[in-house]
Amino acid sequence: GDSVTQMEGPVTLSEEAFLTINCTYTATGYPSLFWYVQYPGEGLQLLLKATKADDKGSNKGFEATYRKETTSFHLEKGSVQVSDSAVYFCALNAGGTSYGKLTFGQGTILTVHP
Amino acid sequence: NAGVTQTPKFQVLKTGQSMTLQCAQDMNHEYMSWYRQDPGMGLRLIHYSVGAGITDQGEVPNGYNVSRSTTEDFPLRLLSAAPSQTSVYFCASSYSELQNSPLHFGNGTRLTVT
Repeated sequence: GDSVTQMEGPVTLSEEAFLTINCTYTATGYPSLFWYVQYPGEGLQLLLKATKADDKGSNKGFEATYRKETTSFHLEKGSVQVSDSAVYFCALNAGGTSYGKLTFGQGTILTVHP
Repeated sequence: NAGVTQTPKFQVLKTGQSMTLQCAQDMNHEYMSWYRQDPGMGLRLIHYSVGAGITDQGEVPNGYNVSRSTTEDFPLRLLSAAPSQTSVYFCASSYSELQNSPLHFGNGTRLTVT
């Protein structure tokens, strides 16, 4: 079945450090890939998405490139801020008969210190 | 524009009690779904609906019922609460079940079953 694997957390960084959160997936066909962010006490918000191979999603300084050859969708940001502290989820939608179902990774907790 | 609204925010139940988690969206989205979030497991799909009058099971449907009498509302019913249902529940909607359509999440209901 479909699955998403994220790097183990938590991740702790200093402000202005470079961020990478690894995400790899297993799916048949050509899934759409998403990164969601969850701030404390809130629901998940879409951060970025990519719908086909080699697409790059970007938003708020975050980027991720859909790499079909390595089945990866790693999240990166060049300079993190304290306000980026949150839980980050990688997810896929396999399409076809998945009827809108998202398959999520386990989430990665990011803490950024001043 | 409220988006996806969930009530209540917090709930404590005793084993065997029943209750309904409410979810409403004002974006005229056809697709709605319920997920549960458990530590280290990401989010898992409970039930979903592709339109009024149509519902189907997700990955973990046992112990839960849903109905979709209107486009706006998608309540989740716990028939006889069990400690294993202690979790954070998220309702989500999107304009369609197509794989490129991102989900919009509510802020969640934290349920404790004692």
